[in-house]
Amino acid sequence: DIVMTQTPLSLSVTPGQPASISCKSSQSLLHSDGKTYLYWYLQKPGQSPQLLIYEVSSRFSGVPDRFSGSGSGTDFTLKISRVEAEDVGVYYCMQGIHLFGPGTKVDIK
Amino acid sequence: QLQLQESGPGLVKPSETLSLTCTVSGGSISSSSYYWGWIRQPPGKGLEWIGSIYYSGSTYYNPSLKSRVTISVDTSKNQFSLKLSSVTAADTAVYYCATNPGAYWGQGTLVTVSS
Repeated sequence: DIVMTQTPLSLSVTPGQPASISCKSSQSLLHSDGKTYLYWYLQKPGQSPQLLIYEVSSRFSGVPDRFSGSGSGTDFTLKISRVEAEDVGVYYCMQGIHLFGPGTKVDIK
Repeated sequence: QLQLQESGPGLVKPSETLSLTCTVSGGSISSSSYYWGWIRQPPGKGLEWIGSIYYSGSTYYNPSLKSRVTISVDTSKNQFSLKLSSVTAADTAVYYCATNPGAYWGQGTLVTVSS
């Protein structure tokens, strides 16, 4: 079975500073169709999760360009170029349509 | 813009079956763009995918829950449903319906398993 890990599990960031979250899969996520189905979500406090990034690096509609995704195979990264107060919450990576990582809690210093 | 809304009992007794329905508006559940899924989140914990269904009826379930889960779709009502049998306190969670991948989510509904 595929296992998803995220590091760090918590992150405290100064506004305006960058932040980076790593997501690793125990198996390659490269699908036979040539795509890699790795997604990033943000769950703000008290809200439903919201999609940030799909297929490793594509920003979903309305997502600010300070969010970017990268990676391939088993190693993936979500970067926030300049953290804003509204970015607090728990970030989850997700493999395919069915396996979430444990989440990374981001708060503001 | 798609909107999803969960509905169903907020309290279920142990050993009984949890039943929830997700009503989709703003688009057709028969769209080939998405799978339709159920995800849950126990209080204070992370997200757990339960299962997904395609409008054609093809289903995919979390192996850890597969023996207790049934997801069905009613295209005439633009709804899909979740049934989780033999529930215990460990099934207490906020249950979300969402497209898969999760471009659109419901607001979530808390289901408590207690006698």
